Amino acid sequence: GNSVTQMEGPVTLSEEAFLTINCTYTATGYPSLFWYVQYPGEGLQLLLKATKADDKGSNKGFEATYRKETTSFHLEKGSVQVSDSAVYFCALRMNSGNTPLVFGKGTRLSVIA
Amino acid sequence: EAGVAQSPRYKIIEKRQSVAFWCNPISGHATLYWYQQILGQGPKLLIQFQNNGVVDDSQLPKDRFSAERLKGVDSTLKIQPAKLEDSAVYLCASSWTGANSPLHFGNGTRLTVT
Repeated sequence: GNSVTQMEGPVTLSEEAFLTINCTYTATGYPSLFWYVQYPGEGLQLLLKATKADDKGSNKGFEATYRKETTSFHLEKGSVQVSDSAVYFCALRMNSGNTPLVFGKGTRLSVIA
Repeated sequence: EAGVAQSPRYKIIEKRQSVAFWCNPISGHATLYWYQQILGQGPKLLIQFQNNGVVDDSQLPKDRFSAERLKGVDSTLKIQPAKLEDSAVYLCASSWTGANSPLHFGNGTRLTVT
């Protein structure tokens, strides 16, 4: 079946450090890929998405590029802030039909001042 | 636009009791999902509705879980009887129909079974 694998957390960084959270996927066919973020006490929010190979999704300084050759969608940010502390989920959704999101296990990020 | 509304926010029950969660999706969203998020794990789909019909309930433990969306708008998820392993956050999400339509999530209901 379709699945998403994320790097294990927690990840602890100092403010202004570079962030990478790895995500790889397994899918039959070509999915759309997503990063969702969950701030403490809040629901899941869509952070960015990419719907086809080589697309780059970006939002709030975060970026991720859809790499079909490596089946990856790694999340990056050049300079993290304390307010970026949250749990980040990589997810996929097949492009045929009205299919649900399949999530990875999530990666907790803590940014310290 | 108003977001996905869920209630209650928190619920504590004893094992073998029953519990119900309610979800009001974003107006006009035909597709509604219930996910279970166990601590430290990613959300897992329980059931997907398209209007008032079930699209996918393959991972719903049907011996104890049930869900309905009678008028194609609000939805209720019920657990009867609850087990300790049902302790989790239950997330409701909705979307327009279509593969590229993003899911919008509610804040969830945190269930603790003691």
